[in-house]
Amino acid sequence: NAGVTQTPKFQVLKTGQSMTLQCAQDMNHNSMYWYRQDPGMGLRLIYYSASEGTTDKGEVPNGYNVSRLNKREFSLRLESAAPSQTSVYFCASSEYTSGVGDTQYFGPGTRLTVL
Amino acid sequence: AQSVTQLDSQVPVFEEAPVELRCNYSSSVSVYLFWYVQYPNQGLQLLLKYLSGSTLVKGINGFEAEFNKSQTSFHLRKPSVHISDTAEYFCAVSDQNNQGGKLIFGQGTELSVKP
Repeated sequence: NAGVTQTPKFQVLKTGQSMTLQCAQDMNHNSMYWYRQDPGMGLRLIYYSASEGTTDKGEVPNGYNVSRLNKREFSLRLESAAPSQTSVYFCASSEYTSGVGDTQYFGPGTRLTVL
Repeated sequence: AQSVTQLDSQVPVFEEAPVELRCNYSSSVSVYLFWYVQYPNQGLQLLLKYLSGSTLVKGINGFEAEFNKSQTSFHLRKPSVHISDTAEYFCAVSDQNNQGGKLIFGQGTELSVKP
């Protein structure tokens, strides 16, 4: 039981390049989330998916797109990377669709640097 | 709108001393409150959460927190810390209006336990 896995662990991009961050969970959870973590700012929600086939914007969605490929997988795409997107990205999942009060389980993170 | 403020960005403490990490929140409706811990180079994991009922919540690793509605606070305490408690601690809030169980995180408090 791996929990939440993320690939890659590290990535360096040049400005304007694109990439997709992958996330998968094996806990049969309904809800999945993408956060970014920046020093002194805590975690901020980029996008979330309350169930397979649905996605919604979070606090900082600009410059990102997501796909809920199936119940297990939730990917985050940067179409044209910018230095402001240098950050650590975390994927999380929770059991229920409503998610209210639910514990979120986090992956190990992807450290992205955009030059 | 909801918000979370962690009043200390860094807390240095000696081993076996007590510690309190402070968290204040704002919300116009009933809230659900969480403390997560992030060990170096890892994802976040849940320490404890308050959903309803007793205002004193016990979590893992000897931590506890008290929900104080009148002061809109949810401070985290441990009576005697260990070196292994060195980590970053995040307070988070959600409420019944948060579709998909979205969490709003505080800025984080770095706990540094010295021998």
